Amino acid sequence: SQKIEQNSEALNIQEGKTATLTCNYTNYSPAYLQWYRQDPGRGPVFLLLIRENEKEKRKERLKVTFDTTLKQSLFHITASQPADSATYLCALPTSGTYKYIFGTGTRLKVLA
Amino acid sequence: DAGVIQSPRHEVTEMGQEVTLRCKPISGHNSLFWYRQTMMRGLELLIYFNNNVPIDDSGMPEDRFSAKMPNASFSTLKIQPSEPRDSAVYFCASQGEVGGTEAFFGQGTRLTVV
Repeated sequence: SQKIEQNSEALNIQEGKTATLTCNYTNYSPAYLQWYRQDPGRGPVFLLLIRENEKEKRKERLKVTFDTTLKQSLFHITASQPADSATYLCALPTSGTYKYIFGTGTRLKVLA
Repeated sequence: DAGVIQSPRHEVTEMGQEVTLRCKPISGHNSLFWYRQTMMRGLELLIYFNNNVPIDDSGMPEDRFSAKMPNASFSTLKIQPSEPRDSAVYFCASQGEVGGTEAFFGQGTRLTVV
């Protein structure tokens, strides 16, 4: 069955460093992949979408890569700030459908 | 636009009672999703509507769960009777175009069944 894996353990990094989060998937080939941010008590908020023919996408301090051979996406936050502390989820559409499968998310904490 | 609006934000109910969660999607969006989030299972899609029509309800866990979308600006998710294992955060999300655009989530309803 189709499966997404994100590091379940929290990631703590020092302010100013680059945070790198990983999303691995198995058993299918999505046409695109999305990353969302979720703060406590709030719904997920869309950050970036990357398509299968795009190797990399950037938005301000965010960068996403998509390696369809490795079946992996990396999400980078450069010059991280305490305000970047949140849970980050990746989401992929299941094959040929509108259904999104979400990873369980990785909690990022940026230490001042 | 105020975004996706869900009510109530919190709901505490006794086992066996009926619970109704409400959602107002973003105006003009033609797709609406209901998700459930728990620590153990993460975000799970329960049901998807397109143009007010339920397209796929395969994620609805049991017959105790039902959802309606009587018009483009309102949807409900009902649990009857509720059970403690239904305790979770329920999110509604709307989307303007299926297949590649972002989903806008509401603030969620935290349901506790005691």
